[in-house]
Amino acid sequence: SYVLTQPPSVSVAPGKTARITCGGNNIGSKSVHWYQQKPGQAPVLVIYYDSDRPSGIPERFSGSNSGNTATLTISRVEAGDEADYYCQVWDSSSVVFGGGTKLTVL
Amino acid sequence: EVQLVESGGGLVQPGGSLRLSCAASGFTFSSYWMSWVRQAPGKGLEWVANIKQDGSEKYYVDSVKGRFTISRDNAKNSLYLQMNSLRAEDTAVYYCARLLVRGWYVDRWGQGTLVTVSS
Repeated sequence: SYVLTQPPSVSVAPGKTARITCGGNNIGSKSVHWYQQKPGQAPVLVIYYDSDRPSGIPERFSGSNSGNTATLTISRVEAGDEADYYCQVWDSSSVVFGGGTKLTVL
Repeated sequence: EVQLVESGGGLVQPGGSLRLSCAASGFTFSSYWMSWVRQAPGKGLEWVANIKQDGSEKYYVDSVKGRFTISRDNAKNSLYLQMNSLRAEDTAVYYCARLLVRGWYVDRWGQGTLVTVSS
């Protein structure tokens, strides 16, 4: 089965740029999607098709995907961005999630 | 407004059964693949099962195959998850999720229902 690898945690100061990676074998050939989940809440889609943003998601959120790594980039990080972030792909009729990354805003 | 509302969670003993329901509204339910996704306490998201629009295709994560059954009733705009032979490791919040086939991602989530398997 396909495996997605994320760093357990990323820390960033307010106003700086956070980058959360998602590794997978030739992940660049797949569409990668990203979800944000705050404590006690359901996940929310923040990026789909590698780099598209749903309506209502700030432009500060962007994504890229190439080779064996997809990246979620959050510019001008705010305290409200502190959350868990999950990458996701579709493989063999299954939804595959990464293990999640906890973003801490210092 | 799109809404997914889960129900049916609770405390059940190991080996027991539980049936989760998800009531969908605000969209044409019969036009979408649907999924169940779970999250154990303090852990990450884990996909559980998918079902096609007409119920003709169903897929499961290996750990629940033969124990869980996903189904739907398009006339009632409802999704179900029948869970049998429950184990402690099935303890989780279970989310109902709408799948978009153009890219295969979840664009809507329910608020989740907690299933606790314990004696």
